[in-house]
Amino acid sequence: GQQVMQIPQYQHVQEGEDFTTYCNSSTTLSNIQWYKQRPGGHPVFLIQLVKSGEVKKQKRLTFQFGEAKKNSSLHITATQTTDVGTYFCAESSNNDYKLSFGAGTTVTVRA
Amino acid sequence: KAGVTQTPRYLIKTRGQQVTLSCSPISGHRSVSWYQQTPGQGLQFLFEYFSETQRNKGNFPGRFSGRQFSNSRSEMNVSTLELGDSALYLCATRDSMNTEAFFGQGTRLTVV
Repeated sequence: GQQVMQIPQYQHVQEGEDFTTYCNSSTTLSNIQWYKQRPGGHPVFLIQLVKSGEVKKQKRLTFQFGEAKKNSSLHITATQTTDVGTYFCAESSNNDYKLSFGAGTTVTVRA
Repeated sequence: KAGVTQTPRYLIKTRGQQVTLSCSPISGHRSVSWYQQTPGQGLQFLFEYFSETQRNKGNFPGRFSGRQFSNSRSEMNVSTLELGDSALYLCATRDSMNTEAFFGQGTRLTVV
């Protein structure tokens, strides 16, 4: 089964509003990666977080790694229709090349 | 440089048949992983190959197998297909640990 749990599974957002998706683990994560998959597309890498408490920003996207390295979040401000898709978090193990994905948060936007 | 190439893009097979999918990684990437994606189960890890060796395997039955060639190209095979094997099969390649994975566009397999 998956080691990382993502909530919510679905997020319906009014254009212009903000939302947050969360990734949680019962164990300490080596690091966390975030991917976005557009409808009909394939996952595309967004960012990797490695350090405890790390915060990274990409334009309207803010990624955080928890202090205990057991959770992560992705916050999107002023949602646009281009933000539609499924956002996955994934643990990248320090010991091998395996990525363990969360179930994803599927985002739809109301114009 | 060229991205990850998966062939074929679409396949329709009948129950009981077998299928082989191919993945050509980005030049220089020696690690190739395979994932099964279904609406209900998300992205499930199948296996990972590095330098022609399977280093990691997910919880899938023995009907699912794979291999990697000396040029890092990888194939996965599913034998005795079942309806539940209908899914998008994605391969992802990486050049080292803890770096981003590059995904191919996937092979959409439909079993009828």
